Amino acid sequence: DVKVTQSSRYLVKRTGEKVFLECVQDMDHENMFWYRQDPGLGLRLIYFSYDVKMKEKGDIPEGYSVSREKKERFSLILESASTNQTSMYLCASSLLSGWVKPYEQYFGPGTRLTVT
Amino acid sequence: AQSVTQPDIHITVSEGASLELRCNYSYGATPYLFWYVQSPGQGLQLLLKYFSGDTLVQGIKGFEAEFKRSQSSFNLRKPSVHWSDAAEYFCAVGGNAGGTSYGKLTFGQGTILTVHP
Repeated sequence: DVKVTQSSRYLVKRTGEKVFLECVQDMDHENMFWYRQDPGLGLRLIYFSYDVKMKEKGDIPEGYSVSREKKERFSLILESASTNQTSMYLCASSLLSGWVKPYEQYFGPGTRLTVT
Repeated sequence: AQSVTQPDIHITVSEGASLELRCNYSYGATPYLFWYVQSPGQGLQLLLKYFSGDTLVQGIKGFEAEFKRSQSSFNLRKPSVHWSDAAEYFCAVGGNAGGTSYGKLTFGQGTILTVHP
């Protein structure tokens, strides 16, 4: 089974702190994604990566950055956390090749981040 | 730009009753359509997908969905709901119009399903 793990289930940080969210997948997937999930808004794509050291902005990249130094690991960074970044953060991965496989995303359990 | 609308924020059904969750999409070419389910405290799991061929697709856990191009819809159905189906359901659209998209999906707002015994 594909496994996507996220470093923390719950995280509480203070405004202005630098926050790192880690995601690791064990299926040799090329694509990795970071979403935030908010009630009534569904999932919104923050950043994605299709290869090591490659990154692309999603729909809401402001206030975030990412790092992908190894194929299996994709980190989301909040440079200076703000209260409006309180949310559930979901990581996902998928294969790069084929017409449909890239869209079959496997998700981690999520990190619920609270910024106070 | 592509978009997905799930008109129902919250649906309540009795166990054993039939279920239909609505999904409408906007996409400039032939879409790839997906339904994902999120059980409480879990990540999302793929239920089923449509990308070509038969417009009625079967998924896991007894779910099915029908692609209707004329209505831009991809509604999810189940003939008899079980208490374990209580979860949040997300419809999503993707596709390769305009070049490589690297599997980017656009998700709807989600529909929360409550099942009464």
